[in-house]
Amino acid sequence: QQQVKQSPQSLIVQKGGISIINCAYENTAFDYFPWYQQFPGKGPALLIAIRPDVSEKKEGRFTISFNKSAKQFSLHIMDSQPGDSATYFCAASIRSGGYQKVTFGTGTKLQVIP
Amino acid sequence: EAGVAQSPRYKIIEKRQSVAFWCNPISGHATLYWYQQILGQGPKLLIQFQNNGVVDDSQLPKDRFSAERLKGVDSTLKIQPAKLEDSAVYLCASSRLGAETQYFGPGTRLLVL
Repeated sequence: QQQVKQSPQSLIVQKGGISIINCAYENTAFDYFPWYQQFPGKGPALLIAIRPDVSEKKEGRFTISFNKSAKQFSLHIMDSQPGDSATYFCAASIRSGGYQKVTFGTGTKLQVIP
Repeated sequence: EAGVAQSPRYKIIEKRQSVAFWCNPISGHATLYWYQQILGQGPKLLIQFQNNGVVDDSQLPKDRFSAERLKGVDSTLKIQPAKLEDSAVYLCASSRLGAETQYFGPGTRLLVL
């Protein structure tokens, strides 16, 4: 119930195209859904996050779409650039006993080709 | 502000040896996390501290892994004895008390031969 399933495992997109990464969860108690971006040799860094009472959140070229009834959420990267090439992790978080517990997806390796 | 610091960045050991990793969180961050990231997988939480107390160590293999956070600041993660399957990147992260955003260090890449 604590799993977060992420797909695809890898993605190749042409420069200027739209990258779409999908995640699904089971536990309806999750109350915060962040996306992290990880470059080789670096730790993950928060990219964008959403709460389940909102269906969409946009920050620049990055948009999260959230479907509460389907228990799915996705990351859309518009006008994808070579600099976006990285591994993306979705995550789901639950507040338990006064602290946050985060479960990460398995990651999507994105390659944006010129 | 300075980020999360980790050392060493790389470590190669032979199986059955011991190894220790060090983490210095962002100043003022009460919560500290240790994650294991196996190649091609997402980070898996090993242990979570709030100040110097453990709030979650349910996925820590306690027969070989140990961690401490003395004085609620720096933390060390130890593996003794190491197994081949412990080869992974060990990530440390920190956050403000009760906050949802975690800040990750660069990780320590461990190779067990």
